Amino acid sequence: DTGVSQNPRHKITKRGQNVTFRCDPISEHNRLYWYRQTLGQGPEFLTYFQNEAQLEKSRLLSDRFSAERPKGSFSTLEIQRTEQGDSAMYLCASSFQRDFTGELFFGEGSRLTVL
Amino acid sequence: GQNIDQPTEMTATEGAIVQINCTYQTSGFNGLFWYQQHAGEAPTFLSYNVLDGLEEKGRFSSFLSRSKGYSYLLLKELQMKDSASYLCAVIDSNYQLIWGAGTKLIIKP
Repeated sequence: DTGVSQNPRHKITKRGQNVTFRCDPISEHNRLYWYRQTLGQGPEFLTYFQNEAQLEKSRLLSDRFSAERPKGSFSTLEIQRTEQGDSAMYLCASSFQRDFTGELFFGEGSRLTVL
Repeated sequence: GQNIDQPTEMTATEGAIVQINCTYQTSGFNGLFWYQQHAGEAPTFLSYNVLDGLEEKGRFSSFLSRSKGYSYLLLKELQMKDSASYLCAVIDSNYQLIWGAGTKLIIKP
């Protein structure tokens, strides 16, 4: 399977714990995005990478959130000291963009439930 | 501010035609996407419009009017599997994707 893969698919954690999600994009794609989606809403932008460089981070993202993409391949999204409001689906998407208008390919998402 | 408006929910009958509208107010425009999202799954690409007019792809067509800040997705010969949410997203002047909340389409037999 050469699509975008994310793991874990589901994570249940207690408030205050740290969680980490991993995304493996399509191999030839240079851009990688993280989004958060709650029920009945569209995806909410969190951050994106071009190769290994993190080019933009949403102002909505608190200091508890950090993302990395070492070597421009897979990426991790870590949430520290989770809160109940962090419960959502975390979507990763990748694209190969020469002109910033390339189609996004999404992974299946990682669903986080904070108790 | 930037805004994408879509109806929250629509209902249609199997075999019929449905049009899902999207209006946008964004800082600049560099294209508009439609994505389909089944419950609990990731969004999948349907169409991309950057010029005015109609783009047809099988049972699905997408229309764009940049002067009106308006797009629609037209689904023909509806099938039960078309029950899903349909997301409209606009690329703004900073090349960021601005997403609508999605339209939940319910298909009835």
